Amino acid sequence: GAVVSQHPSWVICKSGTSVKIECRSLDFQATTMFWYRQFPKQSLMLMATSNEGSKATYEQGVEKDKFLINHASLTLSTLTVTSAHPEDSSFYICSANDRLVEGPQHFGDGTRLSIL
Amino acid sequence: AQSVSQHNHHVILSEAASLELGCNYSYGGTVNLFWYVQYPGQHLQLLLKYFSGDPLVKGIKGFEAEFIKSKFSFNLRKPSVQWSDTAEYFCAVNAVGNNRLAFGKGNQVVVIP
Repeated sequence: GAVVSQHPSWVICKSGTSVKIECRSLDFQATTMFWYRQFPKQSLMLMATSNEGSKATYEQGVEKDKFLINHASLTLSTLTVTSAHPEDSSFYICSANDRLVEGPQHFGDGTRLSIL
Repeated sequence: AQSVSQHNHHVILSEAASLELGCNYSYGGTVNLFWYVQYPGQHLQLLLKYFSGDPLVKGIKGFEAEFIKSKFSFNLRKPSVQWSDTAEYFCAVNAVGNNRLAFGKGNQVVVIP
């Protein structure tokens, strides 16, 4: 089946640093990838849609300059949390659609980000 | 924009009991509907989906869901649960032609052996 790999799975860093999270589709190509944020005991909240070769589309209330998204190839999207602060601590999940097959999104394992 | 409601966030039941999780959405247009499951420590996995056709959809591991358009519902059912069904279950919806998914808050299901 379609596999989405997310790296790193867990990161702890100091306040003020920037953190990059990678999302890769391993056996399919994805023109569109999605970034979600999940707080404890809450639902997944869509942050942005990552579009290969063009700018990401951000949901209302999500700061573009805070959460930088780059989708440089059909198999890789990155989310960079810039100047991270403790309130950015969360579980970040990416997903991707196979561009050749109509179907559901395939999800990565998620990245737990802890900012001290 | 569409929204999804899931009630009874915590569900505890014994093995062999029947399970039904409610999902209601709000959107006036045509939708695709999904149930995802997240086992402890694992990523989200697709249980079943509805795009069109027979409103009664059968998924993996004995799960099924029924789309009732008039009620804007897509409830998930399993006649007899097992301990291994302990997980969090999410209902999700997207408008046809738009891949952006809206998720419900999830149901934490615990099956007691």
